[in-house]
Amino acid sequence: QSVLTQPPSASGTPGQRVTISCSGGSPNIGSNTVNWYQQLPGTAPKLLIYSNGQRPSGVPDRFSGSKSGTSASLAISGLQSEDEADYYCAAWDDSLNESWVFGGGTKLTVL
Amino acid sequence: EVQLVQSGAEVRKPGESLKISCKASGYNFATYWIGWVRQMPGKGLEWMGFTFPGDSKTKYSPAFQGQVTISADKSISTAFLQWSSLKASDTAIYYCVRKPAAAAGRGWFDPWGQGTLVTVSS
Repeated sequence: QSVLTQPPSASGTPGQRVTISCSGGSPNIGSNTVNWYQQLPGTAPKLLIYSNGQRPSGVPDRFSGSKSGTSASLAISGLQSEDEADYYCAAWDDSLNESWVFGGGTKLTVL
Repeated sequence: EVQLVQSGAEVRKPGESLKISCKASGYNFATYWIGWVRQMPGKGLEWMGFTFPGDSKTKYSPAFQGQVTISADKSISTAFLQWSSLKASDTAIYYCVRKPAAAAGRGWFDPWGQGTLVTVSS
């Protein structure tokens, strides 16, 4: 059971807008920034969004992130077939067991 | 270009020891945290811990404290993940990651190494 909760799957058709949620609590998302990672099939994860909504250079502006309270979300607009991947949220958890925690991952399928 | 290049796949028997490596290039190795993330077969990502090569400080996930040793050698810009006695449940892909210099709980993981598959089987 992951500390951060994501839906296990999401889907959309090319051109659509899809959002992926990430729910946590006060010690993690409520107190710290959220990062998102994209893992294409058979490859290493890659940083997609950092500090809630910042994009590293090279990441298309179709990808955006936001945070409110103890939840965060990743939005992908103009969905493309190459966006089919696993997406993970992550945050630092300030509780007794200090640790970086990840969501369980969301598998995005482009129909 | 910042790069993390990991050592190759390993196959070991339960009870054996293992040390895998991650060679960094393209930045000042001593001034960023570097650490490891586990991905068990078909599963999600789990943070294991970091080391800060500048002062050898380490920070482990409670889930991995005492199970592995994370270290780094500044002279060769290389981080290591070590087991003294492997178990079948250690079978996974292990990724090394870099984190900006800040408190252990600040920042993000970028870049990621290509991953090292560790298989533990009798």
